[in-house]
Amino acid sequence: DAMVIQNPRYQVTQFGKPVTLSCSQTLNHNVMYWYQQKSSQAPKLLFHYYDKDFNNEADTPDNFQSRRPNTSFCFLDIRSPGLGDAAMYLCATSRDSLAGQETQYFGPGTRLLVL
Amino acid sequence: QQPVQSPQAVILREGEDAVINCSSSKALYSVHWYRQKHGEAPVFLMILLKGGEQKGHDKISASFNEKKQQSSLYLTASQLSYSGTYFCGAGGTSYGKLTFGQGTILTVHP
Repeated sequence: DAMVIQNPRYQVTQFGKPVTLSCSQTLNHNVMYWYQQKSSQAPKLLFHYYDKDFNNEADTPDNFQSRRPNTSFCFLDIRSPGLGDAAMYLCATSRDSLAGQETQYFGPGTRLLVL
Repeated sequence: QQPVQSPQAVILREGEDAVINCSSSKALYSVHWYRQKHGEAPVFLMILLKGGEQKGHDKISASFNEKKQQSSLYLTASQLSYSGTYFCGAGGTSYGKLTFGQGTILTVHP
């Protein structure tokens, strides 16, 4: 029944130690998004894939990278996590992103803690 | 630019009504409403695609005034389950981009 799955649900890493978060979907949607959400703030879009085309937000730090090896999976790599990167990371999917007119389905999120 | 939501927080008793507003300084092409409970992912409520469009299910409805670049979410006869943070998401012309407002915290007490 699960549609957008994120693993792990909780991730603890050390300052500067690379970490990878994963997202998978059973909806066969062609668009996948990664958001960062800090406490009491709105989700902030980091980047998205339209099929294999990668779209980075202008203010997304270089420390954040993403990979999408196939339609179902997408990964978020944080190369050198800082204390300020502690947040909830949300993955979302949609069928098509024309003018933002498609519903985005969110996964449960991965809460990242940086020590 | 982030849409602006008002109010920032609302406290209700069960059965009371509430209105949450979302306004944008840029053209709005679509408005998406989500509810997020603490520690959980946002849950989709509804999407409005056309100016003048109104939608609703159960006792939650929304309207979209394209000319004023505003949308409002109406919660009628609120229930305890309505508690959470409500976000409006503005869809622009750039595909894939959904910019969220800062959120409105709704608390419903018995």
